Amino acid sequence: ETGVTQTPRHLVMGMTNKKSLKCEQHLGHNAMYWYKQSAKKPLELMFVYNFKEQTENNSVPSRFSPECPNSSHLFLHLHTLQPEDSALYLCASGGTARGDGYTFGSGTRLTVV
Amino acid sequence: SQQGEEDPQALSIQEGENATMNCSYKTSINNLQWYRQNSGRGLVHLILIRSNEREKHSGRLRVTLDTSKKSSSLLITASRAADTASYFCATDAGANSKLTFGKGITLSVRP
Repeated sequence: ETGVTQTPRHLVMGMTNKKSLKCEQHLGHNAMYWYKQSAKKPLELMFVYNFKEQTENNSVPSRFSPECPNSSHLFLHLHTLQPEDSALYLCASGGTARGDGYTFGSGTRLTVV
Repeated sequence: SQQGEEDPQALSIQEGENATMNCSYKTSINNLQWYRQNSGRGLVHLILIRSNEREKHSGRLRVTLDTSKKSSSLLITASRAADTASYFCATDAGANSKLTFGKGITLSVRP
């Protein structure tokens, strides 16, 4: 365990479903991130939260909706996804000091059918 | 936008040999980091080198940074089969300590 917990580990959903991914960290980090990892592509930064405030939305389609109720929890709400959204979704948290490495969760493998 | 680009894309070596992986980037950075990912898992932070550092060691890992060439290398000495994984470089170039990752290098270490 890295200290960043993601649930569920695997998710299969239809294009009309609504589901949520959850990320939790108790490392005292102030920043949390959602990344998308697709085959043969670099990791794509989706959202950044600092002290619960969204500081970056990297042109992510509105069918992905993040929520950060506190600095320990981060959600990614999904609705009306497309098959091309199938990927590994990784949550990470960053240290309080600038330049610390990220701690990643194990990811949620999402398949949209 | 992609910042780091790793080279080679794939590397296959015999156990006991050294593995060298390279990363190039485009803009000024505050630091550069290397991560490792086992298949289907999250990334694990290996080592961070700051822009004012030229070389750093951690166990069997050695990282160099050449800011004039905007490049870094990761050397794994005396490789083991368990080192088989994907390795990513990531650059911290601006506000919010946001990291930008490359596509990664697939390392296979044959027993």
